[in-house]
Amino acid sequence: DGGITQSPKYLFRKEGQNVTLSCEQNLNHDAMYWYRQDPGQGLRLIYYSQIVNDFQKGDIAEGYSVSREKKESFPLTVTSAQKNPTAFYLCASSQNLYPGQGYNEQFFGPGTRLTVL
Amino acid sequence: KNEVEQSPQNLTAQEGEFITINCSYSVGISALHWLQQHPGGGIVSLFMLSSGKKKHGRLIATINIQEKHSSLHITASHPRDSAVYICAVTGNQFYFGTGTSLTVIP
Repeated sequence: DGGITQSPKYLFRKEGQNVTLSCEQNLNHDAMYWYRQDPGQGLRLIYYSQIVNDFQKGDIAEGYSVSREKKESFPLTVTSAQKNPTAFYLCASSQNLYPGQGYNEQFFGPGTRLTVL
Repeated sequence: KNEVEQSPQNLTAQEGEFITINCSYSVGISALHWLQQHPGGGIVSLFMLSSGKKKHGRLIATINIQEKHSSLHITASHPRDSAVYICAVTGNQFYFGTGTSLTVIP
């Protein structure tokens, strides 16, 4: 079955530690995204990537880093510089990045809930 | 001001009721999306539309481009429809609403 997987589902981190969230897709999509969701707020874009070895900062990139070494993988590292990392993190992918480039429906993974102790 | 506004924020309905969730946006868009998020957190795309109306089972989505407004309707609501419904638009980037939390009581 095609889809997006994220792991782990729940993650606990001590203050001062870096932690990496996994995101894998087998949909052969070019674009991948990381979002953060907090209670009462809409999804906020952290980073996105249109092609392998290229990625761009979203609205709230500070304290986060990403890599895109393979088309199917887009891991997110939450660094110790992120001041309030406790949140629900969602990964998504789409066939193309922006309107005008064709089909752009996003497909979401199940999410990872990160808690800083 | 958010680029995408949804109403209501919370909605409780009796099973069988007809439900409407509204979405207004302020940016130019190429498409509008309705998403469903269940308590476990995963998000499913329900509709992507750029004009008119789409129907899938008991769900109907409409969009009025001139008024920058969309509605999601659920006919004959059921407790399994309980979820958060999120409106999102694609302009020069994706913009998301804060969601409408729907609870359907048996």
